[in-house]
Amino acid sequence: EAGVAQSPRYKIIEKRQSVAFWCNPISGHATLYWYQQILGQGPKLLIQFQNNGVVDDSQLPKDRFSAERLKGVDSTLKIQPAKLEDSAVYLCASRSLKLDRGLPRGYTFGSGTRLTVV
Amino acid sequence: AQTVTQSQPEMSVQEAETVTLSCTYDTSESDYYLFWYKQPPSRQMILVIRQEAYKQQNATENRFSVNFQKAAKSFSLKISDSQLGDAAMYFCAYRSARLGDMRFGAGTRLTVKP
Repeated sequence: EAGVAQSPRYKIIEKRQSVAFWCNPISGHATLYWYQQILGQGPKLLIQFQNNGVVDDSQLPKDRFSAERLKGVDSTLKIQPAKLEDSAVYLCASRSLKLDRGLPRGYTFGSGTRLTVV
Repeated sequence: AQTVTQSQPEMSVQEAETVTLSCTYDTSESDYYLFWYKQPPSRQMILVIRQEAYKQQNATENRFSVNFQKAAKSFSLKISDSQLGDAAMYFCAYRSARLGDMRFGAGTRLTVKP
C-alpha cells in the first residue's frame, strides 16, 4: 500500500509569516494525527481526527495553529503567525481501525515537514 | 497523564552484538499498548514491535524482542545480532486503549560500530 504522503519536505519562513502543511493518509485509514517533533525530543500530539471530525486538539495552540480534514481524507495544518519556537518537524500519521493479529495497528507515519522559522 | 521515560539519550553497540534500550512509563490504566518505533535520518517513524498490556508473553519480531514488566511499568527493547542498518533514533510509545492517542518518550540514539 502507498504510504502517508506529506509536503513540502522542507520549509523556511520568517517569524510572523504563515505556513501550511499537507498530508494525504493511507487510503481507508479513518484516523489521522499531526505531531510536532522538536529537535532532540519525541513527537508530541497536536491534533487527532477521526474521519473529518476532531477527536483531540487539547495540545494544539489554537491562537496560531489550525487544522482541518475536509471529506475525511487529506488534511492541512496551518500556522499563522509563526514563532521561532515553532521550528520543528511536523509529522502526519494515519491508522486503520482494523486489527492486525488481534492487536491495534501501529501508526503509519509520513516523512514529515521540517520547518525552520528565522 | 501518561508519561514515557527513556533514560538513555545515546547507546552504542558493536556490529553483531546485542543491545538493550530501556523504557519506563507511568499510567493508572490497566488496558494499554506499548510500541517501539525506529526513526532513521529520513525522519519516517517505522514500527519495530508492539505489545498489549494484557498479554504476559513478550513480543518478538525477528532480531527484536521486548522485556515487558507490567508491575514495574518497564518495556525494554533488545536488539540481537545488531546490524549497521539498525542505527537510528528509537522511541518508546504508550497508547491508551481508551483514549487512542500515542505518547512518546524522548528517544535513544543508537550507534552501531562496524
